[in-house]
Amino acid sequence: DQQVKQNSPSLSVQEGRISILNCDYTNSMFDYFLWYKKYPAEGPTFLISISSIKDKNEDGRFTVFLNKSAKHLSLHIVPSQPGDSAVYFCAASFSGTYKYIFGTGTRLKVLA
Amino acid sequence: GAGVSQSPRYKVAKRGQDVALRCDPISGHVSLFWYQQALGQGPEFLTYFQNEAQLDKSGLPSDRFFAERPEGSVSTLKIQRTQQEDSAVYLCASSSAATATYEQYFGPGTRLTVT
Repeated sequence: DQQVKQNSPSLSVQEGRISILNCDYTNSMFDYFLWYKKYPAEGPTFLISISSIKDKNEDGRFTVFLNKSAKHLSLHIVPSQPGDSAVYFCAASFSGTYKYIFGTGTRLKVLA
Repeated sequence: GAGVSQSPRYKVAKRGQDVALRCDPISGHVSLFWYQQALGQGPEFLTYFQNEAQLDKSGLPSDRFFAERPEGSVSTLKIQRTQQEDSAVYLCASSSAATATYEQYFGPGTRLTVT
C-alpha cells in the first residue's frame, strides 16, 4: 500500500520554462513533507520542505505547494535549468517522528 | 566538511553469501538511518539508531538483516545468506536530531547485486 505516490515517472521541460512535479499522499495525519533531488550515483539531497500549517514555501527557484484537502503537494521549479535534470522524490512524515516515507520518484529532464 | 560516506560503493555477491555494508555518518550526528532502494522505487526505511542504540528496526525485511553501531558513529548493515531479492541500493543517512524537521543527509549508497 503506497502511502506516497508520484504518478508521473518522468517529465521533460524546456530550459527556462516551469517544471511542475506532483505528489499525492493517502494518510491525512502526515504533517511534514519534503522534496529530495537525486543525481545518478549520488545519494538524495534535501531540496525543500513544508509543514502542514503552511500551504506554500519558497526557496529561490523552488516552491512547494501543499493542498491538505486534496492530500496533494507539488514542486514548482522556475525557471528550469539543465542542471535541474535529476530524479525528484517527495517524502512525507509526522513531525514528531523521524521516519520518512518516500514516493517512487519522478525523473525530470530539462532540455537545453 | 565531509558528508556521509559508504563503502563499498558496489558489491556483487553470490546467493547465499554474507555481506557487510559500512556507513560513516557526518561527525557528531546522533541519528543514523538505513534505507533500501529497489530499482524504480523510492528509499524504504530499514532501521534507525540514536547514538549506539538501535531504537527502531521495524523495516528490516527478515532476520537475515542485522545492523549495528557499537560506538555511536560508524554503522554496519549485515545481510546473511543473501537472496536475489536483496539486490538493491542501500542508503545510509544521518541527522543531528531525531525528528523529521531535521534534515537527513544521505550517503551515495552501496549497490548490492546478488547473482
